[in-house]
Amino acid sequence: LAKTTQPISMDSYEGQEVNITCSHNNIATNDYITWYQQFPSQGPRFIIQGYKTKVTNEVASLFIPADRKSSTLSLPRVSLSDTAVYYCLVGDVSNDYKLSFGAGTTVTVRA
Amino acid sequence: NAGVMQNPRHLVRRRGQEARLRCSPMKGHSHVYWYRQLPEEGLKFMVYLQKENIIDESGMPKERFSAEFPKEGPSILRIQQVVRGDSAAYFCASSPETGHSYEQYFGPGTRLTVT
Repeated sequence: LAKTTQPISMDSYEGQEVNITCSHNNIATNDYITWYQQFPSQGPRFIIQGYKTKVTNEVASLFIPADRKSSTLSLPRVSLSDTAVYYCLVGDVSNDYKLSFGAGTTVTVRA
Repeated sequence: NAGVMQNPRHLVRRRGQEARLRCSPMKGHSHVYWYRQLPEEGLKFMVYLQKENIIDESGMPKERFSAEFPKEGPSILRIQQVVRGDSAAYFCASSPETGHSYEQYFGPGTRLTVT
């Protein structure tokens, strides 16, 4: 599995856009990039997944440059309820099932 | 459509006792995964099961830990003769027969405290 590196923590204020960048220099051809969100005392929740360029859903956007060695999760207009740990995972979604969660990025949104 | 259910949410056991953690996957899901999260750490894969079969238990300690997913009923993670180091949050996830295996649906977890 490709190793990922993301910031330990980020602070933001309500209404701002939060961008979390994940580095995955050793990403393989068949690997996808997947992001999960985890609130305190809850299980992780799937947010978004992509292979290249840009993916958008009702929760977030995922930007992936052409070389795919990094990706950026963008949370538009965050609210206090977006305070959580965000995990970047990279792997072959067709064959891998062992999700590997590192320390993640703790995003704290303040009023 | 109910999500993944786990019970109990909190479990306290004395050293040497047995802990039984239960997980009911989402309706229609036949793949179950168990993960453990130690304090201040990320989740670590333990075991992957399909109905009546253990597919991959490479992340599960060889001794004292066992898992099953019977034809009827929830998946069970059993920890025998618990020790203090077993104190952690145990999460169960499920995924459907088809679809990307990276899109797993997690339950709320069982927090095990060994005293």
